[in-house]
Amino acid sequence: EAGVAQSPRYKIIEKRQSVAFWCNPISGHATLYWYQQILGQGPKLLIQFQNNGVVDDSQLPKDRFSAERLKGVDSTLKIQPAKLEDSAVYLCASSLDVDSSSYEQYFGPGTRLTVT
Amino acid sequence: AQSVTQLGSHVSVSEGALVLLRCNYSSSVPPYLFWYVQYPNQGLQLLLKYTTGATLVKGINGFEAEFKKSETSFHLTKPSAHMSDAAEYFCAVKKPGGYQKVTFGTGTKLQVIP
Repeated sequence: EAGVAQSPRYKIIEKRQSVAFWCNPISGHATLYWYQQILGQGPKLLIQFQNNGVVDDSQLPKDRFSAERLKGVDSTLKIQPAKLEDSAVYLCASSLDVDSSSYEQYFGPGTRLTVT
Repeated sequence: AQSVTQLGSHVSVSEGALVLLRCNYSSSVPPYLFWYVQYPNQGLQLLLKYTTGATLVKGINGFEAEFKKSETSFHLTKPSAHMSDAAEYFCAVKKPGGYQKVTFGTGTKLQVIP
């Protein structure tokens, strides 16, 4: 079974530039998550999709971050314009179930963003 | 609101020694609890989880954890550390029901000394 794919793996941009990250979840997983992991911290949920609808985006800085999941499969996370504090690893995860004893999130390798 | 506290951002053990990584949680209802491991430049991998049933759960790579409701704890243990266990470990909590989000702790970096 193929895992969660993310690209690019690394990205360096200057502040005020824009950047986009792509995620392809595990086939059949209806729920997709984007997390921000700042160095030395645990992952923080930015947005959660159920199919192509947003379930939770309460911690997404909507003035600069946007995300979409067209057709309920792939997803793109965009930052425009980027700030220095956006330097972090952006993790995508997916899950088959939303809530059951078999609940599990599967994570991609992440995209390391450096804003200079 | 739910939260997770991991005591010790860095833990060092000798190879072959007991590994003990501490996790305490706060939740208004009996939660789901998870331990994830993250190797450098990789995503998170599930080690083990507690949802319902037996409070002692066994995971991959010889790790286990025990859910103690009275102590609101879910500590991770392994009897004998291997060099390959060196990584960062995250405890996480989720409320059952609906689209409840997963909240992660700040992580504990485990160093294994030969």
